[in-house]
Amino acid sequence: DVVMTQSPLSLPVTLGQPASISCRSSHSLVHSDGNTYLNWFQQRPGQSPRRLIYKVSNRDSGVPDRFSGSGSGTDFTLKISRVEAEDVAVYYCLQGTYWPPLTFGGGTKVEIK
Amino acid sequence: EVQLVESGGGLVQPGGSLRLSCATSGFNFNTYWMAWVRQAPGKGLEWVANINQDGSQKNYVDSVKGRFTISRDNGRDSLYMEMNSLRAEDTAVYYCARDRLLACWGQGTVVTVSS
Repeated sequence: DVVMTQSPLSLPVTLGQPASISCRSSHSLVHSDGNTYLNWFQQRPGQSPRRLIYKVSNRDSGVPDRFSGSGSGTDFTLKISRVEAEDVAVYYCLQGTYWPPLTFGGGTKVEIK
Repeated sequence: EVQLVESGGGLVQPGGSLRLSCATSGFNFNTYWMAWVRQAPGKGLEWVANINQDGSQKNYVDSVKGRFTISRDNGRDSLYMEMNSLRAEDTAVYYCARDRLLACWGQGTVVTVSS
């Protein structure tokens, strides 16, 4: 199975400042079809997960443009350009290239300093 | 508006069974893969199973193979998970999600396996 490793585990951020979360995979996530199936999810306290980013860098509908995804191969990053109070959440990466199973990273908790 | 509403969770003894349901609306159900994802208390997300549009392909995480069965009824726009031989480690919130890459999620249903 592909192992997804996120860092840091916890990320205290000042409101208005940027935040960056890393996700590394044990195998390159480039599919034979040329796509890279790396997604990012946000789970606010007490809520269901919500997909933010699909295929590395594509924002889902309604996702603010302060969220961006980048990376390639085995190294990926989710960036929040200016953290707002509503961004307090746990963020997960997910690989969908080699499945079953689809595998999630362990999560990164973003909190306000 | 896309909606996914899970039901069927509850308290069950180890070795028992439960059947989860996910009623959907707002999209053409029969054109999407569907999936179940779970989250144990205080833990991260774990993909459990998925099923293709006509139900001919089903995939499972190793820990539930032979115990859980995913199914769907395209006439009722609904997804199901039959869970047998339940263990304490199956205790979790179970979410249904739309498509292979989990674009939309329900609110979840709680399964507690305990004596």
